[in-house]
Amino acid sequence: EPEVTQTPSHQVTQMGQEVILRCVPISNHLYFYWYRQILGQKVEFLVSFYNNEISEKSEIFDDQFSVERPDGSNFTLKIRSTKLEDSAMYFCASSDQGASFSYGYTFGSGTRLTVV
Amino acid sequence: QKEVEQDPGPLSVPEGAIVSLNCTYSNSAFQYFMWYRQYSRKGPELLMYTYSSGNKEDGRFTAQVDKSSKYISLFIRDSQPSDSATYLCAMSAQGAQKLVFGQGTRLTINP
Repeated sequence: EPEVTQTPSHQVTQMGQEVILRCVPISNHLYFYWYRQILGQKVEFLVSFYNNEISEKSEIFDDQFSVERPDGSNFTLKIRSTKLEDSAMYFCASSDQGASFSYGYTFGSGTRLTVV
Repeated sequence: QKEVEQDPGPLSVPEGAIVSLNCTYSNSAFQYFMWYRQYSRKGPELLMYTYSSGNKEDGRFTAQVDKSSKYISLFIRDSQPSDSATYLCAMSAQGAQKLVFGQGTRLTINP
């Protein structure tokens, strides 16, 4: 069964450092997403990406965050200057029809980001 | 009022029991309702999807949506230890790109 692959599974970084979280979505999917889940809290939407541009973003997704699809297979989330409160599990997801259809999303297993 | 509310549990039941999980929501624009299952250290996995109101059954799982009450439910019949996981409700409005999740309910099925 096709899956969304995220690397690394766990990343520790110092406050103020830049991090790049990487994702390989399912190959024929067109819509890409990042969500995060702070320990003990809800899964929260960060950003959606379609046709090489951001289609929707949340209030969390401020200027410190950016996304990129540098080639035909990878989808990345960059945090420019990490803060302690950025510590969370970050999930990449992809979909072939957007959120509103029966297939929903396929989520990756996540990258646990720890900012120290 | 929170957009989506879900009792975080934990909920512990014996094997074979019927489990009822539910969420309430405040945004009347939500049209698409989903239940995801999340195992420890894994991403959410889609279990059930329902559009607008009504019931949907898939094996041991039944999803119900009552838009008039802004209330959705997931029932698990003949629960198994392998059903032990966190169950997340999620919702989306027509044309929206994002899912709005509930807190998740941690469920344990005891053999």
